[in-house]
Amino acid sequence: RKEVEQDPGPFNVPEGATVAFNCTYSNSASQSFFWYRQDCRKEPKLLMSVYSSGNEDGRFTAQLNRASQYISLLIRDSKLSDSATYLCVGITGTASKLTFGTGTRLQVTL
Amino acid sequence: DVKVTQSSRYLVKRTGEKVFLECVQDMDHENMFWYRQDPGLGLRLIYFSYDVKMKEKGDIPEGYSVSREKKERFSLILESASTNQTSMYLCASRSLDAEAFFGQGTRLTVV
Repeated sequence: RKEVEQDPGPFNVPEGATVAFNCTYSNSASQSFFWYRQDCRKEPKLLMSVYSSGNEDGRFTAQLNRASQYISLLIRDSKLSDSATYLCVGITGTASKLTFGTGTRLQVTL
Repeated sequence: DVKVTQSSRYLVKRTGEKVFLECVQDMDHENMFWYRQDPGLGLRLIYFSYDVKMKEKGDIPEGYSVSREKKERFSLILESASTNQTSMYLCASRSLDAEAFFGQGTRLTVV
């Protein structure tokens, strides 16, 4: 079983829709989590950190559920510019190993 | 701004060649990572380093080695390149308890 798993999608949604991605992790010792965004042929860039208490940044909300070992990303009022691949990341161990999910592709259409 | 720089954007090498991919970061980060990214497989961790001269195997270390002689530089070495190592290689660095920053990637083709 992969350490971090995501539904690869693609998720095709109309502009203005709300879309949610989940990511499950298998290592209960994972310490920190992040969501990254990757545009086609570009490097991943940080979208937001994920906290147990949940955090919001504009149209984006991230949640961590340690009991069920999943993290989520909610995007409200989707824009065409949100089309990208969204990667969840977990950090484990004293050496801080960074493990990525395979990514979920989002396509926002008119 | 944090800067992570990979030495090449595109490389073409022949089977059997020894290949060096260089990564330099300018923010005194402790951790550095090498990933390869392939369609449908996501980012897979090859090696990472948590300090100078320290290294740990990731999920797919076979056919690769690394070197970290200085804190700012983390090199990935393909001892004898093979066609199945054709991929996008991404370097990342981070300080403890913070997010990772990526280089722009090196697209390596082995012919």
